[in-house]
Amino acid sequence: EVQLVESGGGLVQPGRSLRLSCVASGFTFDDYAMHWVRQAPGKGLEWVSGISWNSGSRDYADSVKGRFTISRENAKKSLYLQMNSLRPEDTALYYCAKSLQWLVVNDAFDIWGQGTMVTVSS
Amino acid sequence: EIVMTQSPATLSVSPGKRATLSCRASQSVSSNLAWYQQKPGQAPRLVIYGASTRATGIPARFSGSGSGTEFTLTISSLQSEDFAVYYCQQYNKWPTFGPGTKVDIK
Repeated sequence: EVQLVESGGGLVQPGRSLRLSCVASGFTFDDYAMHWVRQAPGKGLEWVSGISWNSGSRDYADSVKGRFTISRENAKKSLYLQMNSLRPEDTALYYCAKSLQWLVVNDAFDIWGQGTMVTVSS
Repeated sequence: EIVMTQSPATLSVSPGKRATLSCRASQSVSSNLAWYQQKPGQAPRLVIYGASTRATGIPARFSGSGSGTEFTLTISSLQSEDFAVYYCQQYNKWPTFGPGTKVDIK
């Protein structure tokens, strides 16, 4: 079964850090770009960051640039999001998502995890 | 950044009727446009990609059209399971999503 499972969310104070993880199964992880998408409570979807299959290309939404870092370990079929200097407006459900096409970075997302909740509050 | 807009914000439709959702991009995205369905408490589900190609397992009552800056998702005969929020997404550059259209029961 093709699956993405996120973890690492929780309650954190403003200014602190958190690292999210996403473990993939059921497909050749190395062949696909991966992304993080978030959804604040009751709000729409916001793309956060994406990384190419070989980590050679990464990008970030302006709202997180300079604070968040995306990375991956293909040997562990894992995707990560290091979140520093967290703000209350970063409070959201964070999804990892897989690009649809082999080796394509800018793409539709055909597989989504169930998300991990991050709450930034004092 | 490419800004996506969707209209209407809410669409009230009777079961069995047609629903037409619109999406507009602030600059051309060619056919690099996807639609997602999201139900409460669930992750989004890919419905359409490439502006008009149905994703795996999506019924034929869903169709997408458009290119450049104007796109449409049509659900030909709404079933109970289709009531949800629909988001468009461009992926011509790094992805951006529209604000969503909620399709609810009239």
